[in-house]
Parts: sequence; C-alpha cells; structure tokens
Amino acid sequence: QKEVEQDPGPLSVPEGAIVSLNCTYSNSAFQYFMWYRQYSRKGPELLMYTYSSGNKEDGRFTAQVDKSSKYISLFIRDSQPSDSATYLCAMRGGGSNYKLTFGKGTLLTVNP
Amino acid sequence: GAGVSQSPRYKVTKRGQDVALRCDPISGHVSLYWYRQALGQGPEFLTYFNYEAQQDKSGLPNDRFSAERPEGSISTLTIQRTEQRDSAMYRCASSPETGLGVVAQYFGPGTRLLVL
Repeated sequence: QKEVEQDPGPLSVPEGAIVSLNCTYSNSAFQYFMWYRQYSRKGPELLMYTYSSGNKEDGRFTAQVDKSSKYISLFIRDSQPSDSATYLCAMRGGGSNYKLTFGKGTLLTVNP
Repeated sequence: GAGVSQSPRYKVTKRGQDVALRCDPISGHVSLYWYRQALGQGPEFLTYFNYEAQQDKSGLPNDRFSAERPEGSISTLTIQRTEQRDSAMYRCASSPETGLGVVAQYFGPGTRLLVL
C-alpha cells in the first residue's frame, strides 16, 4: 500500500460545478498537507496548504484535513475552465526534513 | 524573477551511457530537491540538499544514481549506466529557508529522459 492514495480520475465537470478532490494516507507522522496544481507540460505549483487538522479557505478553494481519518480534501467552488489541470496532494512530516510525498494526481477537466 | 531552470529539457541516450542533469535553483533558495515523475504519477522524492549538504538520499533507487551541489547553488543529478527503466521526467525544486519554505517547493520544467 502506498503512503498516499489519490484517485487519478479523470474527472470531467461542467463550468460552475463544485469539485471535490481527496486523498487518503497511512503515515500518521504527516503534519503538513498541501495541494499542488500541475498544468499540462508544466511543473507542479503550490495551491494551498494546511498544518495539522482543520479547514482553510482561499477564494474559491477550500482545503480540509481530518487527521483522525487520515483523509484530506480540496473543494473548488464555481469551477472555471482555467481550473482544468492535474491536482496533486502532497504531505510531509514535521521537523527539518522537507521531503514531500505526493499522490498520483487527479486530472480535472472543466467544460465551458 | 527567474524560476528554477533545468537543462537539458530533453535527453535521449542509449542504454549503458551516463547522463548528467542540471538544476539551477531560484537565487537565494537554500534547499534543493530532486524528484522523478513517471507519466500519470505524482513526483517521487529522490534526494535533497540544504546548501551544499545532502540531507536525505533515501529516494535514490540504487547506486547508479548520485547527486551533488558543491557550492550550494547549482546541482547535478548523475545516472550511470542508464537503463530503459530510468526513462522518466526528472524534476528539480527549490525552496527558501523560512516562511513558505516549509511547504512551498518551486518546481522547474523538468528534464525528460528517454533511454533507448
């Protein structure tokens, strides 16, 4: 079993839909939870992060972490065609080792 | 400002040849990471440096892979005696020491390696 599991999709939604993306993990040492967005032929870029459990909102994006269930989610409201990309969850432990463990990514297409 | 740059962008080599992949991090970034990303997968950690010190090389698949960052800036990932299974996108990332550096790694465009 991989440390981080993510459904690869693909996921196709109409413009304006609410999108829910999620990951599960097995390593209880993970403390930082991130979502990276990767456009085709580009490197990943950080979208949001959360430390430990809780919710975080940034515009149309909301990240949730439930450490008791080892489950994290990213919600996108009012999705736009420009949101079409691969969304990767990533995690790391505390301390000084900044090594990230990524999920395999979910390919999202928002259709106009 | 300039982002992370990697060279070459594409590398085709024959099985058994050595290759060297270069990463030039964002100026002033203390930490530098190497990842390998297969098609349809997320990046997989290989190794990372703080300044010139290699802090963790637990992700290097075997002793054919090595990395260095002798002056704490540019880094080179070397693969000796390449094999077809080494074909992948190799990505470099860098991060600052403080602030978002604990979570934000800035990725380069990658080097696509194809071993024939």
